Amino acid sequence: GAVVSQHPSWVICKSGTSVKIECRSLDFQATTMFWYRQFPKQSLMLMATSNEGSKATYEQGVEKDKFLINHASLTLSTLTVTSAHPEDSSFYICSAPRRLAGDNEQFFGPGTRLTVL
Amino acid sequence: GQQVMQIPQYQHVQEGEDFTTYCNSSTTLSNIQWYKQRPGGHPVFLIQLVKSGEVKKQKRLTFQFGEAKKNSSLHITATQTTDVGTYFCAGRGSSYKLIFGSGTRLLVRP
Repeated sequence: GAVVSQHPSWVICKSGTSVKIECRSLDFQATTMFWYRQFPKQSLMLMATSNEGSKATYEQGVEKDKFLINHASLTLSTLTVTSAHPEDSSFYICSAPRRLAGDNEQFFGPGTRLTVL
Repeated sequence: GQQVMQIPQYQHVQEGEDFTTYCNSSTTLSNIQWYKQRPGGHPVFLIQLVKSGEVKKQKRLTFQFGEAKKNSSLHITATQTTDVGTYFCAGRGSSYKLIFGSGTRLLVRP
């Protein structure tokens, strides 16, 4: 199956700093990647769709100036949490779709746990 | 906007008992997918259903897609401790986006 990596797997930062999270598709190209946020014991909430070569599409209520997304290549998307605050602490997961055996699966990265002090 | 509801929120069963989780969408879906997330892990794709009334089986897991393509279910026969985790349905409507249900957390007593 396809593999999606995410880096870092966890990060602790001070309030006011910026944190960059990388999402890579290791063995396939992804023109689209998705960024989700998951709070403890809750579902995945789609934050934005990352599009290679164009601007990201943000979901309602997600601040695009706070969560900067750059889809630099067909295998890399980055999410930068700018001026992070404690309420931004969460599990951030990226995914990339790939059609395998007729199904359009979403392959998820292992996630990045962000803790803002 | 599109909403996907899932029940129950959690279920605690004795090993060997059956388990079912139900998923309902506010709008008609083009397809629905099911994912499993182990504690501390990330969601892993289980299956995709596309056709109205479709039923698919994976060993002890049976997936159904409703006739109206607005609801779906996952049934596990004779649960095992390895089935522990949170099961999410995720529906795709007219757009390319997947909307995840709230998930059902399954706990299995050995």
